[in-house]
Amino acid sequence: QKEVEQDPGPLSVPEGAIVSLNCTYSNSAFQYFMWYRQYSRKGPELLMYTYSSGNKEDGRFTAQVDKSSKYISLFIRDSQPSDSATYLCAMSDILGANNLFFGTGTRLTVIP
Amino acid sequence: EAQVTQNPRYLITVTGKKLTVTCSQNMNHEYMSWYRQDPGLGLRQIYYSMNVEVTDKGDVPEGYKVSRKEKRNFPLILESPSPNQTSLYFCASSPSLADTDTQYFGPGTRLTVL
Repeated sequence: QKEVEQDPGPLSVPEGAIVSLNCTYSNSAFQYFMWYRQYSRKGPELLMYTYSSGNKEDGRFTAQVDKSSKYISLFIRDSQPSDSATYLCAMSDILGANNLFFGTGTRLTVIP
Repeated sequence: EAQVTQNPRYLITVTGKKLTVTCSQNMNHEYMSWYRQDPGLGLRQIYYSMNVEVTDKGDVPEGYKVSRKEKRNFPLILESPSPNQTSLYFCASSPSLADTDTQYFGPGTRLTVL
């Protein structure tokens, strides 16, 4: 079983829709959770970073962590064509950039 | 502009021909790392460096070498490339090992080994 599971999609939604992207994980020790956005032919860029359980909001983006279910989500409100990208989740149990476990990514297309 | 640069962006080579992919950052970051990204496997770390002259293996180091002689540069060396090293490679940097939330990635190098 992989440490982190992520549905690869692809996911297509109309502009303005609410998007829900999800990852599940098996290691209950994970406590640092990240979402990266990767545009085509570009490197990943950090979108959201959360520690432990709870929600974090940044503009149209909300990251949610449910440690009891080992489940994290990224919600995008009022989705825009510019949100079309691959979204990667990543997580770790200890603080350290050498210790990240990445999901395989979900490709999202927002149709105008 | 703060950035991580990689060269070349695209490379097609043949089995056994040594190659180097360069990585440079202009943010004075201590921590740098290399990843490979493969379909269905996600990003996997190859090597990382916590500072000049300090490097360590990641999850998939076999067939790769790195060096960190200067703070800004972290080249990835494939001494004898094989087809299973065909992949998309990313260099990344952050201020320190602990700065998980400020890791910057380069634009990627797509390598094909025939």
